[in-house]
Amino acid sequence: KAGVTQTPRYLIKTRGQQVTLSCSPISGHRSVSWYQQTPGQGLQFLFEYFSETQRNKGNFPGRFSGRQFSNSRSEMNVSTLELGDSALYLCASSLVGGISGNTIYFGEGSWLTVV
Amino acid sequence: TQLLEQSPQFLSIQEGENLTVYCNSSSVFSSLQWYRQEPGEGPVLLVTVVTGGEVKKLKRLTFQFGDARKDSSLHITAAQPGDTGLYLCAGARGSSNTGKLIFGQGTTLQVKP
Repeated sequence: KAGVTQTPRYLIKTRGQQVTLSCSPISGHRSVSWYQQTPGQGLQFLFEYFSETQRNKGNFPGRFSGRQFSNSRSEMNVSTLELGDSALYLCASSLVGGISGNTIYFGEGSWLTVV
Repeated sequence: TQLLEQSPQFLSIQEGENLTVYCNSSSVFSSLQWYRQEPGEGPVLLVTVVTGGEVKKLKRLTFQFGDARKDSSLHITAAQPGDTGLYLCAGARGSSNTGKLIFGQGTTLQVKP
């Protein structure tokens, strides 16, 4: 079966701009989570969506937002980009989101560089 | 403050050696997972442990969840170059019905032939 697909894979943006990243989960998966990975902070949870509703949210400023569509595809948006937003953004999908016995699959990520 | 502390951060060993990676916390986790991530790819789930004291084996990899569910370890026997990668532990707190994971900083393992 097709894996988690993230687009774009690489992008470069200028400070102050905004960016939208897309994630297509595995077919049938209803939970989509987003993570930010940086060398200094490691992997940090951004938010989780389940059936078009945000179910969990991490400790990121309001510039980071997301949404999920009826087909479970998800997008995340970062507005007013800062240099510190440069990171690998990872999307993870699972059937219903519970991790006990419910495998979470990660995409390959979107590399964002802010200059 | 990192909720999950992994050690060591870096490990470079020769093929055939054994190693252990530790994941420690002062908090209780309802479950804990181990992932391996290779450059340019997303993390891949290796195992999930949910019961205190649980031990799981995956070929040459042995995973243990502490009795108090605050710590975990990953032991690799006779490491091979193919084991090279970033190993991450991740925990869930509270309800297990969530996609929210807290990750450790990771252990970069290099196995030299």
